[in-house]
Amino acid sequence: NAGVTQTPKFQVLKTGQSMTLQCAQDMNHNSMYWYRQDPGMGLRLIYYSASEGTTDKGEVPNGYNVSRLNKREFSLRLESAAPSQTSVYFCASRPGQGHSNQPQHFGDGTRLSIL
Amino acid sequence: EDKVVQSPLSLVVHEGDTVTLNCSYEVTNFRSLLWYKQEKKAPTFLFMLTSSGIEKKSGRLSSILDKKELFSILNITATQTGDSAVYLCAPLPPTSGTYKYIFGTGTRLKVLA
Repeated sequence: NAGVTQTPKFQVLKTGQSMTLQCAQDMNHNSMYWYRQDPGMGLRLIYYSASEGTTDKGEVPNGYNVSRLNKREFSLRLESAAPSQTSVYFCASRPGQGHSNQPQHFGDGTRLSIL
Repeated sequence: EDKVVQSPLSLVVHEGDTVTLNCSYEVTNFRSLLWYKQEKKAPTFLFMLTSSGIEKKSGRLSSILDKKELFSILNITATQTGDSAVYLCAPLPPTSGTYKYIFGTGTRLKVLA
């Protein structure tokens, strides 16, 4: 059981380039999340998707877009990368509403550097 | 604005020591609080606390929640080098229909052999 899978694991971009971070979960979870983690800042929510077909902004959505492609996949896109977006990005999932006793499960992260 | 503060920010101990990690939050009427352990990669789930005063235990780790005073503690007894990690707490605010946890900045624990 793979859980939450993120690709790529590492990426270096130049300022202004675009890219999409991929996330897939095989636990049949309804809710999915994208976080960024910076030194001294903890995990900050970028976007989340409470269920297939819905997405909402989190704490730090500027400069990002997301797509909930289907129940399994939730992608994060940087349209024009900026050095301030250098970070480690984590995807997470959880069963969804009605499963209040279930925690989030995280992927291993994507380390993104923007030069 | 909801706020989560973890203390200490970092801690260095020797194997066998007992440590107490603190999490205080300004999130009233929250539903639950989670503790995670993060080593090199993904945070891994430790505990979910929903009721005040009820201790949860898992081996050498235990945690308790005080909903009135808005804090939680995570205790680790007889620490081992494998306990070295960043420990994150995350209370869940009462936004209906969503599960948007707010994560603290974490406590970095280093256990020396």
